[in-house]
Amino acid sequence: SQQGEEDPQALSIQEGENATMNCSYKTSINNLQWYRQNSGRGLVHLILIRSNEREKHSGRLRVTLDTSKKSSSLLITASRAADTASYFCATDRWRTYKYIFGTGTRLKVLA
Amino acid sequence: GAVVSQHPSWVICKSGTSVKIECRSLDFQATTMFWYRQFPKQSLMLMATSNEGSKATYEQGVEKDKFLINHASLTLSTLTVTSAHPEDSSFYICSARDSISDTQYFGPGTRLTVL
Repeated sequence: SQQGEEDPQALSIQEGENATMNCSYKTSINNLQWYRQNSGRGLVHLILIRSNEREKHSGRLRVTLDTSKKSSSLLITASRAADTASYFCATDRWRTYKYIFGTGTRLKVLA
Repeated sequence: GAVVSQHPSWVICKSGTSVKIECRSLDFQATTMFWYRQFPKQSLMLMATSNEGSKATYEQGVEKDKFLINHASLTLSTLTVTSAHPEDSSFYICSARDSISDTQYFGPGTRLTVL
């Protein structure tokens, strides 16, 4: 399969709670990126983490990367209704520059 | 940051016609661009890699005669959906790689609806 796996496929939480999404991939990578996509819209880049990094922060976002387990997690703290969207991880296959997307997590934040 | 544009942002066409979608890198040169397709409520699937000055390379299962890709300059790649059918209706997204910064930027996507 071309794609990585993300879990959960869907997540529904209350505003103010934290949301955690996980991504697993299959091959060696240069870096991993997380994107947000609102329904029917384009991708919004959230954060890039390189293969030699283990953790990265950006505002309310925290991304971890475990290359030994070929997995990454995205944590959104203090979620807001505006965070409702689909979230995708994408890995660039080593030396190909091709980005392979995960299956995505549909997050719904209830006000 | 760098910007990648796509044109048109949406298009509706009749079955059997061909549709061309443009992908431009606006402030950097992109020797490599990529085309993705996304069906409703699904993830993005890589269709092909567009290489400036050479033939595109297609992912397994993607018909190269159906989806013609031309990368005539360092800032423009085009995807032509030939003899479009309703099952080709999808969201098509391109990305462009800035080789200097080693960063890839995604376009806003083009929604194709084939009647």
